[in-house]
Amino acid sequence: GENVEQHPSTLSVQEGDSAVIKCTYSDSASNYFPWYKQELGKRPQLIIDIRSNVGEKKDQRIAVTLNKTAKHFSLHITETQPEDSAVYFCAASMVGKLIFGQGTELSVKP
Amino acid sequence: SQTIHQWPATLVQPVGSPLSLECTVEGTSNPNLYWYRQAAGRGLQLLFYSVGIGQISSEVPQNLSASRPQDRQFILSSKKLLLSDSGFYLCAWSVRPGGVYEQYFGPGTRLTVT
Repeated sequence: GENVEQHPSTLSVQEGDSAVIKCTYSDSASNYFPWYKQELGKRPQLIIDIRSNVGEKKDQRIAVTLNKTAKHFSLHITETQPEDSAVYFCAASMVGKLIFGQGTELSVKP
Repeated sequence: SQTIHQWPATLVQPVGSPLSLECTVEGTSNPNLYWYRQAAGRGLQLLFYSVGIGQISSEVPQNLSASRPQDRQFILSSKKLLLSDSGFYLCAWSVRPGGVYEQYFGPGTRLTVT
């Protein structure tokens, strides 16, 4: 079955720096790759996603890249702000469900 | 627009007691529905998912069961809770056509088994 590995598990950056979170997946049939942000005590929120026919997608300060050949995708956050502090999850689709990575706790220090 | 509800928001139950958590979705028809558990604030573990009324797929054998009595209702149950059942339970829904599975989560139920 599908397996999604996410790195790093924790990431600390200074406000204004960039943050990059990487994920790899195992099933070449996966065709949808969302990213979720979860603030403490709240539900995960979908922040950006990418489909397998696209290599890169941007939405203001966040971007996602996908390399289908290497089976990895990444989340890039530029000009980080303290409100970006949260746990971020990547996921890959597998026939009607999503397989999630283990999460990255991002801390943005002012 | 679509809305997903979960209740209760928090629950404290003794070991050995039964459990029933409910999730309902408004504003969409024929959704896929999912139950996840999140322990220790990390890791989303998929417990069950359903593609239609009465159709349940179990991902992890455990002390829980799920049912879907109506199109937009998903219920998570247990006959006897264990300490290890404590966690944050999240219901999610997605639309099915086209093979694209954006999932949206409900507000969650925080369960503490004592």
